Amino acid sequence: GDSVTQMEGPVTLSEEAFLTINCTYTATGYPSLFWYVQYPGEGLQLLLKATKADDKGSNKGFEATYRKETTSFHLEKGSVQVSDSAVYFCALNGAGGTSYGKLTFGQGTILTVHP
Amino acid sequence: DTAVSQTPKYLVTQMGNDKSIKCEQNLGHDTMYWYKQDSKKFLKIMFSYNNKELIINETVPNRFSPKSPDKAHLNLHINSLELGDSAVYFCASSQEVTSGSLKYFGPGTRLTVL
Repeated sequence: GDSVTQMEGPVTLSEEAFLTINCTYTATGYPSLFWYVQYPGEGLQLLLKATKADDKGSNKGFEATYRKETTSFHLEKGSVQVSDSAVYFCALNGAGGTSYGKLTFGQGTILTVHP
Repeated sequence: DTAVSQTPKYLVTQMGNDKSIKCEQNLGHDTMYWYKQDSKKFLKIMFSYNNKELIINETVPNRFSPKSPDKAHLNLHINSLELGDSAVYFCASSQEVTSGSLKYFGPGTRLTVL
């Protein structure tokens, strides 16, 4: 079945540092890819998405590019802020077989940004 | 107005009890889901309904029974609660089941079984 693997956390950075959270996937067909963010004590919010190869999703300074050749969707931000501290989830929406329509999540990466 | 709402936000109960969590969406979506987030933050789909019909049923104990009275509601009933059921349960909805369809999540219900 489909699977998503994220880099191990937690990740701790100083404010204004560069952020990369790696995400790779295995899937049938051509899935859509997402990054969700969960702030402390809150639910999941969609951060960005990409629906086909070479698409770049972006939002709030975060970016991720759908790389089919490397089956990756790494999240990046040039300068993080304390308010970016949260748990980040990479996810894919299944496009084929028994995975169709299912959102499969990575294990989540805890990001803490210090002033 | 909240797009996807869940009640209650917190639920603390004893082992062996039966409890329900309610979910409502006002987005006019056709598809609704339940996800479970365990203590390590791992999220996994449990069920999905499309137009009140069950379309996804993962390997969830049959103590868990979803009920969809209409397209806007998907409730989760849990019988004979166990310690391992303690988790955060998220409801979600999407316009359709397709791969690119965005899923909107509710705020979650934190269930604690004592």
